[in-house]
Amino acid sequence: EAGVVQSPRYKIIEKKQPVAFWCNPISGHNTLYWYRQNLGQGPELLIRYENEEAVDDSQLPKDRFSAERLKGVDSTLKIQPAELGDSAVYLCASSYQGQQYNEQFFGPGTRLTVL
Amino acid sequence: RKEVEQDPGPFNVPEGATVAFNCTYSNSASQSFFWYRQDCRKEPKLLMSVYSSGNEDGRFTAQLNRASQYISLLIRDSKLSDSATYLCAVNPQGSSYKLIFGSGTRLLVRP
Repeated sequence: EAGVVQSPRYKIIEKKQPVAFWCNPISGHNTLYWYRQNLGQGPELLIRYENEEAVDDSQLPKDRFSAERLKGVDSTLKIQPAELGDSAVYLCASSYQGQQYNEQFFGPGTRLTVL
Repeated sequence: RKEVEQDPGPFNVPEGATVAFNCTYSNSASQSFFWYRQDCRKEPKLLMSVYSSGNEDGRFTAQLNRASQYISLLIRDSKLSDSATYLCAVNPQGSSYKLIFGSGTRLLVRP
C-alpha cells in the first residue's frame, strides 16, 4: 500500500515569492492534515480536513497561508507571500476517521527554505 | 507550560542497554496517546499507540499513567538502529483528531 505522497521534497525561494505544496493521502483515508515542523520541535498542526471540509484551521496564518482539498482526496497548501520565518518542513498526514485511535501517518515532507 | 513536554536528551546509551523516556501532558482529559520515531531529515513514523492497559511490541513497551499524566516508552536491548528522536503525541479532549506533539527526545545508541 502506498504511503502519503508529497511534492516537492525540497523548495528554495526568495522571500515574498509564492510557494505551493501538494499532498496525496493514503488511499481510503478521509482525514488529511498539514503540519509544520521547525528544527528541534515537534510537528504543529496547521489545518485538518475531513473529506473536503476544513474542520480545524485555527493555527493556519490566514493572511498568507491557504489550503484546499477540492475533491476530498489530494490537497494543496499555499504560502503567498513567503517570509523568512516560514522556513520549515511542511508535513502532510492522513488517517481514517472512525478508527479507534486515530493513527496518523506522515508523508516525507517538503523542506522549505526562504532566503 | 507546554501541553506536551519531553526531555530533549540526548540519551546516550550502549548497545544492549535498557532506556526509558517519559512524556508529560497537561490536559487531564486527553484521550489517546502515541509514540512516533523520527530519523534525521525524515518524517515521523508511528511506533506505537499507547493503550490504557499499556502495550508491548517486541523490545518496546509503552505505558500510560493517567494519575500522574505521563506516558512512557521503554526500549530493551537497544540496537544501534534505535538511534533517533522519539516524539510523543497526545490527543486532547474535545478534538478527536488533533494531535499535540512534544519536541522529542533524542536517543543515541553507541557500539
